[in-house]
Amino acid sequence: GEDVEQSLFLSVREGDSSVINCTYTDSSSTYLYWYKQEPGAGLQLLTYIFSNMDMKQDQRLTVLLNKKDKHLSLRIADTQTGDSAIYFCAEKGNAGNMLTFGGGTRLMVKP
Amino acid sequence: DTGVSQDPRHKITKRGQNVTFRCDPISEHNRLYWYRQTLGQGPEFLTYFQNEAQLEKSRLLSDRFSAERPKGSFSTLEIQRTEQGDSAMYLCASSSPRGRHTGELFFGEGSRLTVL
Repeated sequence: GEDVEQSLFLSVREGDSSVINCTYTDSSSTYLYWYKQEPGAGLQLLTYIFSNMDMKQDQRLTVLLNKKDKHLSLRIADTQTGDSAIYFCAEKGNAGNMLTFGGGTRLMVKP
Repeated sequence: DTGVSQDPRHKITKRGQNVTFRCDPISEHNRLYWYRQTLGQGPEFLTYFQNEAQLEKSRLLSDRFSAERPKGSFSTLEIQRTEQGDSAMYLCASSSPRGRHTGELFFGEGSRLTVL
């Protein structure tokens, strides 16, 4: 089946930029997503990118997509302690309506 | 709050018992999804409904699992003869037809199952 991989953990200092990386295998992915999960809360969509785009910026968030290498990244500028959470990369292929999620990257922001 | 709600939030049961979880999606959403999330993993797709029709099922959904959405509104997920390996967070999500090109899913807070 299709696979989405992420590194497990990232630690940054408050005010620095964070970059969370993701690789995927489905060459027919149409949309790619970043979801955020805070303790005790449901997953919340942060941003998404259509597969024919290579970059999308939304305030402090920048998404980069390298479709050739099947690599997606999320950059958070001026990272704050409130950004501490688990970030999930997900992709939607051509077949079916479900999303395939990566295992999540735990972001820890130190004051 | 008119988000996705799930009940119960926590369920502890003994191996072999049956459990049922309920999901109430956002009211105008016609698509409903069940996912399972184990500790340290991302959500894994289980099944998907469009209105009352169950359109997709994962291979993860063994014959002990059954999901229904009888009137196209709330959904139930039943697990029969629970096993310790069923211990997980069961997540429900819904989406709107207007979101069909973006695929945005709105998740509930989940129902945590512990099988002793």
